[in-house]
Amino acid sequence: QKEVEQDPGPLSVPEGAIVSLNCTYSNSAFQYFMWYRQYSRKGPELLMYTYSSGNKEDGRFTAQVDKSSKYISLFIRDSQPSDSATYLCAMSAPHGGSYIPTFGRGTSLIVHP
Amino acid sequence: ETGVTQSPTHLIKTRGQQVTLRCSSQSGHNTVSWYQQALGQGPQFIFQYYREEENGRGNFPPRFSGLQFPNYSSELNVNALELDDSALYLCASSVGEEPVSYNEQFFGPGTRLTVL
Repeated sequence: QKEVEQDPGPLSVPEGAIVSLNCTYSNSAFQYFMWYRQYSRKGPELLMYTYSSGNKEDGRFTAQVDKSSKYISLFIRDSQPSDSATYLCAMSAPHGGSYIPTFGRGTSLIVHP
Repeated sequence: ETGVTQSPTHLIKTRGQQVTLRCSSQSGHNTVSWYQQALGQGPQFIFQYYREEENGRGNFPPRFSGLQFPNYSSELNVNALELDDSALYLCASSVGEEPVSYNEQFFGPGTRLTVL
């Protein structure tokens, strides 16, 4: 079993839909939970990060962390074709002198007009 | 402010050869991390350098080695290339602080390595 599980999709939705992306994990030592967006042939770009459990909102994006269930989610409201990308969840625990993220495999999202 | 840059963009090598990939970190960043991203997978942590010292290493063999220079740019060297080394190699820079804290990593566009 991988430390971080993420459904690769693809997930195809119409423009304007609410998108729900999820990850589960097994390592209870994870403290920071991140969501990255990666366009084709580009590096990942951080969308949001959360420390411990709870919700965080930034514009159309909402991140949720449920540590008791070891489950994290990213919601995208009013999805746009420009949101079409691969979404990577990542989570980190102290590792030596830093926090090293462990990534999921990513979910491919397609938003069609 | 210049972002993270990587060179070359693409590279084709044959099995058994050696390769060096380069990364220039974002201005003001003193920490560089390297990741390997195979097709259809998430990035896997290779190692991290903080102020020119290795500061953590993932589950990669010793033929993967690195350097960080006084200007905080970095190199990833891979010896004795294998077919499975074909991947996108990502560099990410951040501001490292003490004591240990979370710091946002900024990724470069990556170098796509193909091993034939």
